[in-house]
Amino acid sequence: DSGVTQTPKHLITATGQRVTLRCSPRSGDLSVYWYQQSLDQGLQFLIQYYNGEERAKGNILERFSAQQFPDLHSELNLSSLELGDSALYFCASSALRGGELFFGEGSRLTVL
Amino acid sequence: KNEVEQSPQNLTAQEGEFITINCSYSVGISALHWLQQHPGGGIVSLFMLSSGKKKHGRLIATINIQEKHSSLHITASHPRDSAVYICAVRSNTGNQFYFGTGTSLTVIP
Repeated sequence: DSGVTQTPKHLITATGQRVTLRCSPRSGDLSVYWYQQSLDQGLQFLIQYYNGEERAKGNILERFSAQQFPDLHSELNLSSLELGDSALYFCASSALRGGELFFGEGSRLTVL
Repeated sequence: KNEVEQSPQNLTAQEGEFITINCSYSVGISALHWLQQHPGGGIVSLFMLSSGKKKHGRLIATINIQEKHSSLHITASHPRDSAVYICAVRSNTGNQFYFGTGTSLTVIP
């Protein structure tokens, strides 16, 4: 158990809909990262937050947004969903701005 | 062009064999990570390196910053080592992460 909690574990929705994925980092970790893993593109970095502030941005679509709240949990919002958004979404946390990563079990999103 | 290249893509070994997985990258980095992903999908971080060599049990990871190359070695491989091993680098400009496509390892008893 990494100590990182992601909910929901599985989510099935339709095209055009909006979903929110939630991540609670390990106790004391200030950094939260979001990654997408799809069959055709592999793992991709989406975004990092450190202590509530956006620190790094990767290949995150404009339809996607994220935030980190004062209690350090983070949410990834995916809107106007397309079939191609079906993927595993991982959250990871680290103690520092760039330390060892601890991954959650992932949220599997299926868009029908 | 992929910023991170891994080899081999697939690897089958007999139990007890010494295994090496290679990772080359093309960007300047602040750190390199070796990750393990089991068939169930969960990801575990094995190592974070910025220089030299690290060892955890039967796993050894090395990095050569000048050559932009890292290796992951598994000594005395075991069927429970069967997994996908992924190399990831964090760039030192913009703090982006780049991932290799992974090496699928199968260790046969």
